[in-house]
Amino acid sequence: EAGVVQSPRYKIIEKKQPVAFWCNPISGHNTLYWYRQNLGQGPELLIRYENEEAVDDSQLPKDRFSAERLKGVDSTLKIQPAELGDSAVYLCASSLQGDTSTDTQYFGPGTRLTVL
Amino acid sequence: KQEVTQIPAALSVPEGENLVLNCSFTDSAIYNLQWFRQDPGKGLTSLLLIQSSQREQTSGRLNASLDKSSGRSTLYIAASQPGDSATYLCAVLTGANSKLTFGKGITLSVRP
Repeated sequence: EAGVVQSPRYKIIEKKQPVAFWCNPISGHNTLYWYRQNLGQGPELLIRYENEEAVDDSQLPKDRFSAERLKGVDSTLKIQPAELGDSAVYLCASSLQGDTSTDTQYFGPGTRLTVL
Repeated sequence: KQEVTQIPAALSVPEGENLVLNCSFTDSAIYNLQWFRQDPGKGLTSLLLIQSSQREQTSGRLNASLDKSSGRSTLYIAASQPGDSATYLCAVLTGANSKLTFGKGITLSVRP
């Protein structure tokens, strides 16, 4: 079974440019997460989807970040315009979201963004 | 607000040593605690998940314990190998939104 797929794996852009990341979760997983991981830190949740609905986007900087999960499968995270401080690894994860106490999140390899 | 702490940030041990990685959290109202492994340039791999009602979980040479009342967990690695070298992150699932809060991780180096 394929794991969580993300693309691109690496992206280098100049500040003020737009950028988009794509994620394909594990088949059958209803819940999808986007995290940002800064160097030397643990991942921090940006947004969580239950099917097509964003149920927690409290940590998403809405002035420049946007996300969508049309049809409740693939998801795209966009930054426009990018700032130097956005340089990080953007991780996508998915889970079945059945029993909360046993729900395991499966992570993709991430997209490493460098903003120059 | 839940906070997860992992100390030290880095650890270097000789091959074959048994070792313990520590994790502490501030809010004991958790659904579960998870230990993840992250290799350089890679995503996270779930190692062990301990439900809030459980005390420990084992997988091969790994054993994780949970003391919810004191807000602590340990990951025990038996007979460490160079292939165990990675960053180990602890995370707790809490809150109405089932939010996973991570520690900063412990970077382990096992010397041959």
